[in-house]
Amino acid sequence: EAGVAQSPRYKIIEKRQSVAFWCNPISGHATLYWYQQILGQGPKLLIQFQNNGVVDDSQLPKDRFSAERLKGVDSTLKIQPAKLEDSAVYLCASSSRTDRVTQETQYFGPGTRLLVL
Amino acid sequence: AQSVAQPEDQVNVAEGNPLTVKCTYSVSGNPYLFWYVQYPNRGLQFLLKYITGDNLVKGSYGFEAEFNKSQTSFHLKKPSALVSDSALYFCAVRGFGGKLIFGQGTELSVKP
Repeated sequence: EAGVAQSPRYKIIEKRQSVAFWCNPISGHATLYWYQQILGQGPKLLIQFQNNGVVDDSQLPKDRFSAERLKGVDSTLKIQPAKLEDSAVYLCASSSRTDRVTQETQYFGPGTRLLVL
Repeated sequence: AQSVAQPEDQVNVAEGNPLTVKCTYSVSGNPYLFWYVQYPNRGLQFLLKYITGDNLVKGSYGFEAEFNKSQTSFHLKKPSALVSDSALYFCAVRGFGGKLIFGQGTELSVKP
C-alpha cells in the first residue's frame, strides 16, 4: 500500500511570495489533515477535510493560508503572502474510516520543509 | 481542553538498557492516546495507540506503552534500546473531530 505522498520536499522562498504544497493521501482515506510543525515543537493542525468538506479550520490563518480538496482525494495548501514565521515543516496525514475517525490511525507523509527568507 | 505534556526534552540511554519516554495527558472523557516517531527529514511514523482495553499496548519495533488512568500517563517503553531507536518521539491525544494534539517531543539518544 502506497503511503501519503507530498511535494515538493523542500522549498525556499522570500517573504511576501506565494507557495503551494500538494498532498496525495492513502487510497480510500476519506479524512485528510494538514499540520504545521515549527522547529522544536510538535505538529499543530491547520485544517481537516472529510472527503471534500472542511471539518476544522479554526487554526488556519485565513488571511494568508488557503486549502482545498476539490475531488475528495488530493489536496493543496497555499500560503500567500508568506511571512518569516511560516518557516516550518508542513505535514499531510490521512485516515480511513469516516464513522470512527476519532479512533483511526493517522498516517503521515514525509512533509514539505519551507524556509522563508 | 485536551493536552499532552512530555516533561523531558531529551532522554539518553545506553544501548541494551531499557528506555522510557514520558507522557502525561489532560482530557475530558476517555483518552485516545498515540505515540509517533520522527527520524531526521522524515514524516511521523505511527508506533502504537491506546483506545480501550488492556493498559499495556504493544506496538512497532518492540515498543510498548503503559496507560495509567490514575496518574494520567502514557509512557513509552522498550526493554532493550538500540542505537537505531535514536529519534524524536511524540505523544499525542485525540482532539475534537479526530485531530491529534501533540506534545513538544522528546529526543531519544541511544549510545553504543
